[in-house]
Amino acid sequence: GQNIDQPTEMTATEGAIVQINCTYQTSGFNGLFWYQQHAGEAPTFLSYNVLDGLEEKGRFSSFLSRSKGYSYLLLKELQMKDSASYLCAVKDSNYQLIWGAGTKLIIKP
Amino acid sequence: EPEVTQTPSHQVTQMGQEVILRCVPISNHLYFYWYRQILGQKVEFLVSFYNNEISEKSEIFDDQFSVERPDGSNFTLKIRSTKLEDSAMYFCASSDGRATGELFFGEGSRLTVL
Repeated sequence: GQNIDQPTEMTATEGAIVQINCTYQTSGFNGLFWYQQHAGEAPTFLSYNVLDGLEEKGRFSSFLSRSKGYSYLLLKELQMKDSASYLCAVKDSNYQLIWGAGTKLIIKP
Repeated sequence: EPEVTQTPSHQVTQMGQEVILRCVPISNHLYFYWYRQILGQKVEFLVSFYNNEISEKSEIFDDQFSVERPDGSNFTLKIRSTKLEDSAMYFCASSDGRATGELFFGEGSRLTVL
């Protein structure tokens, strides 16, 4: 079966750095996405990785290791507005997105 | 900035009633999707639509569900006879179809079945 694992919940302090991990087992791989979802709102796109390595975009970076089936999302200089769920999703061999359950990130002052 | 729009934002219905959720995808996008998210749970794929036909559907998308693109802009999800367990947020999404293309989501339609 296809499976994506993320921690259920994480807590971090405003101004700090947090790393959210994602491991996946899918039938084929055509890229990994990270989305942010605030409570009651739609997911919004954060990043896309298809090759191994780190993609940096402002305060957010995403890393991929295809051989390990592993990715992480790194958030720097945390702000209160970063409190949200972070969803890891993988495109499988049929280009269908397989979603993780999301990691709820709580930012404390 | 182009966006996906959905209506209604919230609908309350009685069990057994038919519901139609509407979406206007981004105009130059070619692939359209419906997802649902039960409160507190993960996003679940329902169906994808391309070239005026369903390209993929999940086990959730049974005979009670149907999709339609009645004109050049709207994309609808119909639930024929709603059940209590259909209560969820339904998200429409579209993409330009590139392998790297991300999905753009609408704000969602919250369906409450009583």
